[in-house]
Amino acid sequence: AQKVTQAQTEISVVEKEDVTLDCVYETRDTTYYLFWYKQPPSGELVFLIRRNSFDEQNEISGRYSWNFQKSTSSFNFTITASQVVDSAVYFCAPRTGTASKLTFGTGTRLQVTL
Amino acid sequence: SQTIHQWPATLVQPVGSPLSLECTVEGTSNPNLYWYRQAAGRGLQLLFYSVGIGQISSEVPQNLSASRPQDRQFILSSKKLLLSDSGFYLCAWSGGVSYNSPLHFGNGTRLTVT
Repeated sequence: AQKVTQAQTEISVVEKEDVTLDCVYETRDTTYYLFWYKQPPSGELVFLIRRNSFDEQNEISGRYSWNFQKSTSSFNFTITASQVVDSAVYFCAPRTGTASKLTFGTGTRLQVTL
Repeated sequence: SQTIHQWPATLVQPVGSPLSLECTVEGTSNPNLYWYRQAAGRGLQLLFYSVGIGQISSEVPQNLSASRPQDRQFILSSKKLLLSDSGFYLCAWSGGVSYNSPLHFGNGTRLTVT
């Protein structure tokens, strides 16, 4: 069985702090992609970044960085120098080669305050 | 560029009334199409997905149905709404079955059943 876990329900940080969001995907599949989405208070889901399961090299895109540890099936998503506009619910969602669909985690609500 | 349109943005319907939500995609052909639902304060639940005209896969048994009468049109329907059908409905598309393709979401329809 496949399971995606976002253990952090809510995180509060002060602006300019770095914040890391955790996602663990347990699966027997060896190749898959994991996607991160942002849902601001307005409700739309915005695609942020994707990461495959076969490359452990860290990636950085602007203020976002991405770390995958294969041994623990852990995908950590870090926002550097957080801003108030980063306040949103963040979802991770895996997708495997055998499925046409995305299965979403329960989300982590990030609150960035001044 | 590809765009996705979903309407209406908000809808208030009485219990037992019918429902029709429409979603259209522009700028691409033969997309995968999806309907997700998000209950208040909860994660996203996949309701239906379609890999082609007339091909619908149902994920959750319920009083909702979906249809794909045209390549880039996806419709969510119900003959009689229940209170439990209230929620935020999101339509999405992806470029084919490749598992590295992200889903791109519409702005959503907030449905309240009274």
